[in-house]
Amino acid sequence: ETGVTQTPRHLVMGMTNKKSLKCEQHLGHNAMYWYKQSAKKPLELMFVYNFKEQTENNSVPSRFSPECPNSSHLFLHLHTLQPEDSALYLCASSQDRGLVTGELFFGEGSRLTVL
Amino acid sequence: RKEVEQDPGPFNVPEGATVAFNCTYSNSASQSFFWYRQDCRKEPKLLMSVYSSGNEDGRFTAQLNRASQYISLLIRDSKLSDSATYLCVVNQYGNKLVFGAGTILRVKS
Repeated sequence: ETGVTQTPRHLVMGMTNKKSLKCEQHLGHNAMYWYKQSAKKPLELMFVYNFKEQTENNSVPSRFSPECPNSSHLFLHLHTLQPEDSALYLCASSQDRGLVTGELFFGEGSRLTVL
Repeated sequence: RKEVEQDPGPFNVPEGATVAFNCTYSNSASQSFFWYRQDCRKEPKLLMSVYSSGNEDGRFTAQLNRASQYISLLIRDSKLSDSATYLCVVNQYGNKLVFGAGTILRVKS
């Protein structure tokens, strides 16, 4: 069992749909993250939560809406997405912010295709 | 200039070869540095930290050159299983991990 699990692994949606990505971590970490990974581009940090509180929002469009009900669960609610939002969405967790150890634990990702 | 820049490759090398990747970073005040590995269709995983004095982990050696603002990763005696994308990660500004786009390594028999 991986420490960070994401569902669904694959998602295809139309531009008018509403869907959600789910992430759960079993590592007892207090920080959770959403990253976007597009082909040949660096991982883009989207949101950071620390002890359930959002501490960072990297100018992400409002069509992406995160939710963190507790330190173990993180959601990314999607609505009226654009085709350019198609990408691999990675959830990660770390103890504190991982800034000293550099160790983020990633889930396997949710591959999103927007038609 | 990109915050963290890597040669995308791919680096195609035979088994047993030695290969090295560099990564440059823009902020001279960056505090800590790391290499991650991402296998095809898998998630990134921490490979090793990069210490100021350089450090080694088996066949892997990481080095930091603060004056020229780059870090390097050297892989000796390459194995087929080393084929992956290697991501350079820099703690810029003290509060944010910034990822490079990665360097693709393909080791061939």
